[in-house]
Amino acid sequence: AQKITQTQPGMFVQEKEAVTLDCTYDTSDQSYGLFWYKQPSSGEMIFLIYQGSYDEQNATEGRYSLNFQKARKSANLVISASQLGDSAMYFCAMREGQGWSGGSNYKLTFGKGTLLTVNP
Amino acid sequence: DTEVTQTPKHLVMGMTNKKSLKCEQHMGHRAMYWYKQKAKKPPELMFVYSYEKLSINESVPSRFSPECPNSSLLNLHLHALQPEDSALYLCASSQDWVGSTGELFFGEGSRLTVL
Repeated sequence: AQKITQTQPGMFVQEKEAVTLDCTYDTSDQSYGLFWYKQPSSGEMIFLIYQGSYDEQNATEGRYSLNFQKARKSANLVISASQLGDSAMYFCAMREGQGWSGGSNYKLTFGKGTLLTVNP
Repeated sequence: DTEVTQTPKHLVMGMTNKKSLKCEQHMGHRAMYWYKQKAKKPPELMFVYSYEKLSINESVPSRFSPECPNSSLLNLHLHALQPEDSALYLCASSQDWVGSTGELFFGEGSRLTVL
């Protein structure tokens, strides 16, 4: 079963509008972390935002915010005031567990991604 | 600019060649990673090094051989690759202490084509 599900293969948004990219996750761990990365066509994976499972407030980073609904196991990314440069692939990812004893604690599980296109 | 530097950015090699991909970071991170990414797919973890020791090998074929000479450098040695190994190879690093978020810092990738 997929641990990270991104149900939107592609999304379109008009410049200056807000857009929500969906992400649901599946874990039995109490401690985990959720990440969003942006990947432009150049290939680099750019970290956008992080939400820890014990964080009570939704994470925000500039125009990015994470709508964290723990009971529903969802971690949607909201981009406000879209810009043409936001056109890229967006990946949701999860790290299960806490601490650095090696092994699976290092592993990020990625969703399949959502390709966002911002139209002028 | 990314703080994880990968070279070369593009590599074309034949199936009998031996080549290496290099990755360097100077952020003091003690965990370093190799990911493989095919077009329109998410990255797939290949190897993880922690404190210069191999921590995770995701059942990667032996024609891929990782090496971590020191805490700043990570290499991926390539030998007798197949055309299906053509992909974007991403290097990443992260902090390695209890309480860190585990955020990965990625390089721009090395785009490999195997003929």
